[in-house]
Amino acid sequence: GAVVSQHPSRVICKSGTSVKIECRSLDFQATTMFWYRQFPKQSLMLMATSNEGSKATYEQGVEKDKFLINHASLTLSTLTVTSAHPEDSSFYICSARTEVETQYFGPGTRLLVL
Amino acid sequence: GQQVMQIPQYQHVQEGEDFTTYCNSSTTLSNIQWYKQRPGGHPVFLIQLVKSGEVKKQKRLTFQFGEAKKNSSLHITATQTTDVGTYFCSFGNEKLTFGTGTRLTIIP
Repeated sequence: GAVVSQHPSRVICKSGTSVKIECRSLDFQATTMFWYRQFPKQSLMLMATSNEGSKATYEQGVEKDKFLINHASLTLSTLTVTSAHPEDSSFYICSARTEVETQYFGPGTRLLVL
Repeated sequence: GQQVMQIPQYQHVQEGEDFTTYCNSSTTLSNIQWYKQRPGGHPVFLIQLVKSGEVKKQKRLTFQFGEAKKNSSLHITATQTTDVGTYFCSFGNEKLTFGTGTRLTIIP
């Protein structure tokens, strides 16, 4: 099946710093990638839809200036959490959609902001 | 907007017992997908149902889409310890909305 990678898998940072998370589709081209956030014991919440070559579409309540998304190529999307605070600590997961519209998820990135 | 509720929220079963999780929507769904997320892992796609009344099987797993396309179920026969995890239903074409999930734990 399709493989999606994420880097880094874990990151610990100080409050106020910015963190960049990469999402790559390894064996297919993904015109659309999605970014989710999952708090402990909760469901996945869609943050934004990332389309190659265009601006991301953010879900209601998600600050676009805080969560910067760049989809520079058909295999790479990045999420930058700017000026991170402890409440941003979460499990961030990306997914990429194949041509048959199945979404494949990356392994996720655990962010801990101290 | 559309909301999807899953029940139960948690389920503890003895190994070898059956398990079922239900997904209920307030509105008609065009399709429904099921995902499994192991503890500490990421969601893994299991199946997609599209047709009214559709039933699909994957070994010990049976997936069903209701006639009115407002509910779905996932049934696991004779659970094994490898079945541990949280099972999510989701729906959507362009973007997915996930249900609340059912966390399954197995007592060996």
